[in-house]
Amino acid sequence: KNEVEQSPQNLTAQEGEFITINCSYSVGISALHWLQQHPGGGIVSLFMLSSGKKKHGRLIATINIQEKHSSLHITASHPRDSAVYICAVSGNNDMRFGAGTRLTVKP
Amino acid sequence: DGGITQSPKYLFRKEGQNVTLSCEQNLNHDAMYWYRQDPGQGLRLIYYSQIVNDFQKGDIAEGYSVSREKKESFPLTVTSAQKNPTAFYLCASSMGRISGNTIYFGEGSWLTVV
Repeated sequence: KNEVEQSPQNLTAQEGEFITINCSYSVGISALHWLQQHPGGGIVSLFMLSSGKKKHGRLIATINIQEKHSSLHITASHPRDSAVYICAVSGNNDMRFGAGTRLTVKP
Repeated sequence: DGGITQSPKYLFRKEGQNVTLSCEQNLNHDAMYWYRQDPGQGLRLIYYSQIVNDFQKGDIAEGYSVSREKKESFPLTVTSAQKNPTAFYLCASSMGRISGNTIYFGEGSWLTVV
């Protein structure tokens, strides 16, 4: 079993839909990261959180430390949100990555 | 603008050749990392460096080598000992220890064995 599990693996939505991507982890962490990988391959950090909830524009990330679970929500999805979203957890000197969720938003 | 520059973007390697991927950052970050990405898998750590002239093996270091002679540079050499080098390679950096610090990534390099 991987230390970081994401679901779903693939997600197709219509423009405007509310999207949720889930991440579960099985190790102790100091922080959880949500990353976005665009089609060219480069990766951008969206959020780093260790508790509660963070919001940036239409993106919301939550984490439940007791349940070892995090969610990334996208409100009013748009085709430009199409990308691979990666959940990662960091410990003392290490980072473990989920396999990613490929999101396609159709107009 | 500050960031991480990887080159080349695309590289083809013949069997038995060593190739070097470049990674340069102007973020003044102490820590730098090399990851490998294969389809359907999470990123895996090849090597990391917390400080100049020091680096540590990650989970899949066999067949790879690195150097850290300058703070801003962390090149990765894929040697002929790496039996399955075709993959996407990502360089990253962070201000200090990866716990509690945002990680920044380059645009990646595609390596194909021909």
